Amino acid sequence: EDQVTQSPEALRLQEGESSSLNCSYTVSGLRGLFWYRQDPGKGPEFLFTLYSAGEEKEKERLKATLTKKESFLHITAPKPEDSATYLCAGHLLQGAQKLVFGQGTRLTINP
Amino acid sequence: EAGVAQSPRYKIIEKRQSVAFWCNPISGHATLYWYQQILGQGPKLLIQFQNNGVVDDSQLPKDRFSAERLKGVDSTLKIQPAKLEDSAVYLCASSSTPYTGELFFGEGSRLTVL
Repeated sequence: EDQVTQSPEALRLQEGESSSLNCSYTVSGLRGLFWYRQDPGKGPEFLFTLYSAGEEKEKERLKATLTKKESFLHITAPKPEDSATYLCAGHLLQGAQKLVFGQGTRLTINP
Repeated sequence: EAGVAQSPRYKIIEKRQSVAFWCNPISGHATLYWYQQILGQGPKLLIQFQNNGVVDDSQLPKDRFSAERLKGVDSTLKIQPAKLEDSAVYLCASSSTPYTGELFFGEGSRLTVL
């Protein structure tokens, strides 16, 4: 069964304290690995797409990396406005192409 | 550019009642998705349309859920009769093609079933 699992479920950091979020996947026919940000009461917002192992993407304080079995979202010197739920999703090739989401990591940055 | 519009934002109903949600995608986006997001979980795909045709509805509980996109633009998702476990946020998303995982989501419709 195709599965995307994120850890930890929740993470609380102090402002400026760097850390990483993990996304592991067991899917067949992975077309790409996507990261989204979701603020409370809002829909997810696209951040990154990663297609091949070793690929990296950066945006401000966020950097996403991909291996053959997992992806990491590194957050460097976070600010309170980085507080959100971060979702990863596998884009499947088989049949109708669709996104399979993980359960998300709820990130809180304390000032 | 206007985003994905959804209504209503909030709805509270009793179990066994019916409810309908409406979505208007980004102009020109041929692919439209309905996702269900239960509190503390990631979104789960219910149905995917390409223009007015269904591409994937494998996870749609067809005994109570229905969706349509008659003119290939806006869409309606209906639940009848609702169960307690249908309490969730219903997210509509659209994309320019069905081959991308870069989706544009609306703010969602939060349903509470009492």
